[in-house]
This record gives sequence, structure tokens and C-alpha cells, in this order.
Amino acid sequence: AQSVTQLDSQVPVFEEAPVELRCNYSSSVSVYLFWYVQYPNQGLQLLLKYLSGSTLVKGINGFEAEFNKSQTSFHLRKPSVHISDTAEYFCAVSASNNAGNMLTFGGGTRLMVKP
Amino acid sequence: GAGVSQSPSNKVTEKGKDVELRCDPISGHTALYWYRQSLGQGLEFLIYFQGNSAPDKSGLPSDRFSAERTGGSVSTLTIQRTQQEDSAVYLCASSLDQGSPLHFGNGTRLTVT
Repeated sequence: AQSVTQLDSQVPVFEEAPVELRCNYSSSVSVYLFWYVQYPNQGLQLLLKYLSGSTLVKGINGFEAEFNKSQTSFHLRKPSVHISDTAEYFCAVSASNNAGNMLTFGGGTRLMVKP
Repeated sequence: GAGVSQSPSNKVTEKGKDVELRCDPISGHTALYWYRQSLGQGLEFLIYFQGNSAPDKSGLPSDRFSAERTGGSVSTLTIQRTQQEDSAVYLCASSLDQGSPLHFGNGTRLTVT
């Protein structure tokens, strides 16, 4: 089984400042890793994913994440945030040998960008 | 070219009533998932379909919850004798195959009064 921990439930940040949203996972097998964003009253939208290859993954809206196997982390970063980035962000993991592709989600981090 | 569609978007029901939630996945997606998002509790996996069969029902919280999928497409999640703790947003997602990202619908917000 897998588990995901997002250490920060809320992250307030000023516009144009950099931000890092932390994600750590636990798994006994190789995993795929994902970040999803949820805007108010909407479903989840994929930001980026790590399946294999380069550990630095670039996604939409200027976000990137780095897979660190030794630290079992997949932190999400953006060098300069906008007001429109205010949303809930979810880290998720699935076992790479899981034919069902079932995702286990972290508890979410609410990013609040202030002017 | 529509995405995952869920209906209704909002449902208010009285405690003890049955409800049905519907999910139309993206055409061609063989895998379909139901998740529940409760306030302050993140996303909880409920059930997964591959085609019409459900290899993993481990997440269903009680025997009041059931789901089916017909024709490899539309799925319904049924909650019988609803309780107040069933109040949540129920999210449906579909994916093309293993390793492909999940595409989520906008969810059904269920309120049990």
C-alpha cells in the first residue's frame, strides 16, 4: 500500500513570490507521482506527472516538481506565483505495478496568494 | 470532446433516502474511479472499474454503498439509507490505461439533512 503526506495544510504567499508545496510518500514498490490542482467548485486538473526518466518534471502554469527517490519526496515549486494560482493542490501516488492505476492522495495544501 | 461529466452537480436529500449519482467518462477510457472528498479529509478512494467489472471495491465505506457500470461507459454510485456523514463531494474520474493520468469530473456535492 502507498501513503502520501502533505505537510502543509495551508500556504499563504504574496504575489510574485516563489512557493514550494511539500509532498512525501511511502511505498514498498516503484511509483508514479502526480500533482493535481482543484479550483473552487471544480474537479481536479492534472498539473504534472512523473512516470520515469528525468526527475525534474515541468507542468502547466509554470509549475515544476522534482522526484527525489532517496528522500521519497515530490515537492511542487513555482518561481513566481499569481493570484490565479490560489487553489487546493493535491499530491498523489500510484504503484507502477498496479494494473488499476488507483491513486492515493495526500490531504491537500491550500495555496493562498495575496496581493 | 467533452470531459468527464457528473450529474447532478448538487443533491440535497433527507436522511434515510436513497440517492444515485451518475458519471459519464471520457469516450474510450476503460478505467473509471469514484472518490469521495469530505471537508478536511482529502480524497478517499471508493471503487474502481476496468470495463464493467470492479476488481477493487475495498474503499466502499459500508454495504449501503454500491456501484455499477454498464456498457463500459456510464457508471452510477448508489447510496442507500443516506446518513449525515455521507455528505461530501463525490468525484468520478476516468483514464485511458495504466500510467495515464486520471481525468476528473466536477463532482456531485451531496448534502444529507
